[in-house]
Amino acid sequence: GQSLEQPSEVTAVEGAIVQINCTYQTSGFYGLSWYQQHDGGAPTFLSYNALDGLEETGRFSSFLSRSDSYGYLLLQELQMKDSASYFCAVSGSYNFNKFYFGSGTKLNVKP
Amino acid sequence: GAVVSQHPSWVICKSGTSVKIECRSLDFQATTMFWYRQFPKQSLMLMATSNEGSKATYEQGVEKDKFLINHASLTLSTLTVTSAHPEDSSFYICSASWAGPAKNIQYFGAGTRLSVL
Repeated sequence: GQSLEQPSEVTAVEGAIVQINCTYQTSGFYGLSWYQQHDGGAPTFLSYNALDGLEETGRFSSFLSRSDSYGYLLLQELQMKDSASYFCAVSGSYNFNKFYFGSGTKLNVKP
Repeated sequence: GAVVSQHPSWVICKSGTSVKIECRSLDFQATTMFWYRQFPKQSLMLMATSNEGSKATYEQGVEKDKFLINHASLTLSTLTVTSAHPEDSSFYICSASWAGPAKNIQYFGAGTRLSVL
């Protein structure tokens, strides 16, 4: 089966940097993804890592260590609109691309 | 691009009735569609995976006779909640992916909030 752990809630101020960690246990691993979801909205894709290392996309970066079964999402220059839930998701099968989502981290950005 | 439309966004029904939810990929052909269920302030729980023209694969614990999934074309998948009961009230979200370079990205619909009275 799959098991993913994330902190339940993180609070930070505007302009700060925040890191959201994700540890996973899965039978078969293909990649780790990150999605953002605002209250009542649809999850939107942020980043994907299949190989070890850092992927940077604007203010957001994502890191993966396959040997440690660990990844994180780094958000820089936080803005109020970044207040949302952030989910990590593992895909354990190349063919089906099935994703199993973590429990989500609620990010509160304060002025 | 990569827009997924889900309809209806909100539905209220009486206990014992069936409800159909549609998920359409508007500007791409979705080789695979997924259905999730999400309880308030909780994660997305994968219910089933469907590929066009074949039977859906259900996750353990999900009743396939209760949640009927049809993926009749590369742009449309439907989820029918049969004989709905109050415990089926939830937020249902579909997503779609394709076999192109972005195969590992899922594009989500806006979700359907189902309330069973």
